[in-house]
Amino acid sequence: GAGVSQSPSNKVTEKGKDVELRCDPISGHTALYWYRQRLGQGLEFLIYFQGNSAPDKSGLPSDRFSAERTGESVSTLTIQRTQQEDSAVYLCASRLDGGRGNTEAFFGQGTRLTVV
Amino acid sequence: AQSVTQLGSHVSVSEGALVLLRCNYSSSVPPYLFWYVQYPNQGLQLLLKYTSAATLVKGINGFEAEFKKSETSFHLTKPSAHMSDAAEYFCAVSPYSGAGSYQLTFGKGTKLSVIP
Repeated sequence: GAGVSQSPSNKVTEKGKDVELRCDPISGHTALYWYRQRLGQGLEFLIYFQGNSAPDKSGLPSDRFSAERTGESVSTLTIQRTQQEDSAVYLCASRLDGGRGNTEAFFGQGTRLTVV
Repeated sequence: AQSVTQLGSHVSVSEGALVLLRCNYSSSVPPYLFWYVQYPNQGLQLLLKYTSAATLVKGINGFEAEFKKSETSFHLTKPSAHMSDAAEYFCAVSPYSGAGSYQLTFGKGTKLSVIP
């Protein structure tokens, strides 16, 4: 696709429910990042996929959070048993080659998650 | 772990005045550095990046940044602010994270307001 696509754009869920957020990176981009942005806050790193390497999960805040990526394509971020503090915008970004640190990361528009 | 610090969560300038947004990084080795901008209700887009080719980097919309190794800084400037510059600005560093991978870590952001 032309850019990074995230779906849904908005999600309202009840506390305790599971949610799944999707990210379609730019075709050919080997690196994919997930970030969380709470209202009025900066970008909090969650997880990073680079090619076939083991993902860097060091930013996941709890075991309720998990993410998968199929090859170098779609990624899904799953939040189980959602809590109100999970309410945030979840941003996905992809890079042509995470093996070179000077490449630009392209961001999706984000998924705004509201837990009620 | 390498990180970036943005001084000032909120900066206000008058239209036509100089814009200066500060970013300092922690690293013993000059990393790759970026400035991204986020307009209201939009995703992030790249303003400029430092990749060691030149210490003064020019970006889009009249912005530029100077890499100063002695000060571990990468401050963003624009000679004359325009109303359309009102947005949130994020400094980011891309440190090597092993196994041929580069992380992407963001500062907490600086919200720029432009006063007419």
